[in-house]
Amino acid sequence: ETGVTQTPRHLVMGMTNKKSLKCEQHLGHNAMYWYKQSAKKPLELMFVYNFKEQTENNSVPSRFSPECPNSSHLFLHLHTLQPEDSALYLCASTFSGYEQFFGPGTRLTVL
Amino acid sequence: KNEVEQSPQNLTAQEGEFITINCSYSVGISALHWLQQHPGGGIVSLFMLSSGKKKHGRLIATINIQEKHSSLHITASHPRDSAVYICAVVRIMGTDKLIFGTGTRLQVFP
Repeated sequence: ETGVTQTPRHLVMGMTNKKSLKCEQHLGHNAMYWYKQSAKKPLELMFVYNFKEQTENNSVPSRFSPECPNSSHLFLHLHTLQPEDSALYLCASTFSGYEQFFGPGTRLTVL
Repeated sequence: KNEVEQSPQNLTAQEGEFITINCSYSVGISALHWLQQHPGGGIVSLFMLSSGKKKHGRLIATINIQEKHSSLHITASHPRDSAVYICAVVRIMGTDKLIFGTGTRLQVFP
């Protein structure tokens, strides 16, 4: 248990569905991250939020839409995804660039 | 070519063996992380280094900034050490964005 939770843990969706991933931390961290982990590839940073403001968008397609209503919660809204978007999506948080604490991930399958 | 390279990609060991995983990087960094990922997917941070050596239990991490190289050692390995070990660096003068290696898959057999 790292103190970062993610829901759901597993998600199967069709290409026309809309779904959301949720990440939550109550560690007092100010920065939150979304990462994508595809098979046999390094972890890829998707988005960074610092004090609720997006500070990095790593050229992510617009079918992924992040939302950070406060420093404790981070969402990733998904719509019209492609099968190649199937991956493990990991959330992490940190306090001012120190050690990152990762959530357990959401295993996403797009049919 | 990835800015962070790890070797070996896969490693098998017998319980009790001494294990070394290597990480080389090609950019200037302010810090290097070693992470552990178990089959369920969750990632745990093992070490964050900017110089020298750190030890935690049976794990030792070293870094040589001049040679742009780090090693993770596991002494007296155990089957529960089986996991993917990931090296990640923070670019100097950059954001706190991590650049990840592809990981080393370790299997320790009893």
